[in-house]
Amino acid sequence: GQNIDQPTEMTATEGAIVQINCTYQTSGFNGLFWYQQHAGEAPTFLSYNVLDGLEEKGRFSSFLSRSKGYSYLLLKELQMKDSASYLCAVNSYNTDKLIFGTGTRLQVFP
Amino acid sequence: GAVVSQHPSWVICKSGTSVKIECRSLDFQATTMFWYRQFPKQSLMLMATSNEGSKATYEQGVEKDKFLINHASLTLSTLTVTSAHPEDSSFYICSARGAAGGGEKLFFGSGTQLSVL
Repeated sequence: GQNIDQPTEMTATEGAIVQINCTYQTSGFNGLFWYQQHAGEAPTFLSYNVLDGLEEKGRFSSFLSRSKGYSYLLLKELQMKDSASYLCAVNSYNTDKLIFGTGTRLQVFP
Repeated sequence: GAVVSQHPSWVICKSGTSVKIECRSLDFQATTMFWYRQFPKQSLMLMATSNEGSKATYEQGVEKDKFLINHASLTLSTLTVTSAHPEDSSFYICSARGAAGGGEKLFFGSGTQLSVL
């Protein structure tokens, strides 16, 4: 089966940098996704990694190490609106389904 | 980007009634759609995979007779919660993936908040 772990909650200060980690175990790895979800809303896509390395997209970057089963989402220049849940999700060739981790609730303080 | 429309956005119903939720891919054909359920402060739990023209595949622990899924066309999947009870109250979200298959990002509907009285 698949197992995905992320911290439950994190806090940070406006303007700072925060790194949200995700570790996973799966067979037939076929990509890792990061989504942002505000309360009461549907998730929105942030990033996708299928090869090792860092993908940068504006203030957000995502890193993947397949050998370690590890990814992180890096948020720079934090803004109050970044307070949300961040969901790590893994796709598998074997199941062809996207399975989500428990999500990390990030709270940004002024 | 691709658009997935889901409605209703919220519904309140009496215990014992059935509720239908629709999920449409507006600008692409979705051979596969997924239905997720999310309880407050929890992550998305996959309920079932809906394939156009065939029976849905349900995750372990999800009652297929209670959560009826129909994927009658390449742009529409429906989830019917039959004989709803208060414990079925949750946020239901659909997502769709295009015909090209795995490795693509899923596009999510806006979600349906179901409250069963």
